[in-house]
Amino acid sequence: SAVISQKPSRDICQRGTSLTIQCQVDSQVTMMFWYRQQPGQSLTLIATANQGSEATYESGFVIDKFPISRPNLTFSTLTVSNMSPEDSSIYLCSVRTGSSYEQYFGPGTRLTVT
Amino acid sequence: GNSVTQMEGPVTLSEEAFLTINCTYTATGYPSLFWYVQYPGEGLQLLLKATKADDKGSNKGFEATYRKETTSFHLEKGSVQVSDSAVYFCALRVNNAGNMLTFGGGTRLMVKP
Repeated sequence: SAVISQKPSRDICQRGTSLTIQCQVDSQVTMMFWYRQQPGQSLTLIATANQGSEATYESGFVIDKFPISRPNLTFSTLTVSNMSPEDSSIYLCSVRTGSSYEQYFGPGTRLTVT
Repeated sequence: GNSVTQMEGPVTLSEEAFLTINCTYTATGYPSLFWYVQYPGEGLQLLLKATKADDKGSNKGFEATYRKETTSFHLEKGSVQVSDSAVYFCALRVNNAGNMLTFGGGTRLMVKP
């Protein structure tokens, strides 16, 4: 298994500002992902964070709005840029280790944009 | 494409009642199936999984059987507790679709003492 921590756990931000969320894993992992969970909704994959190269974004998500870094195999950041109230969500980091079928999730960052 | 459909919640039960949360899926390939649980204020935790037809995943008294003929993976528990109150997500992953997990909409379970 993998233990995942995220910072911050929650934040309240003003419209037009940006927030960077950090994800730290206690072991090297092959795959890291970022998800969004809007209030009362299921999870939507934002992107796959690739180590040493640009992230792979899902339809509807773009790098200018959600820039992602992954400098090594245990750490990634997601930035939510130029925020609006529609960005209020829980953002979750997720990892997959080796050839395992299992995917693990961090505790999430609860973001409220006012 | 791939999709997961769960029964809508909330599901409200009394303690020690029997639980079933229905989950059906469509998949373009051969999926692995998962149930995740999200307790209030927390992230998702993997509850159980099944990777091939007729497999039964089980954990913490919960069970789900991978039924290829009915494309279903219903979650069951014989006797729920107040501490089981959470949101439950059914999910699948098809290997030929890369690493993408497809989630159902989630079902909120509320257990009353």
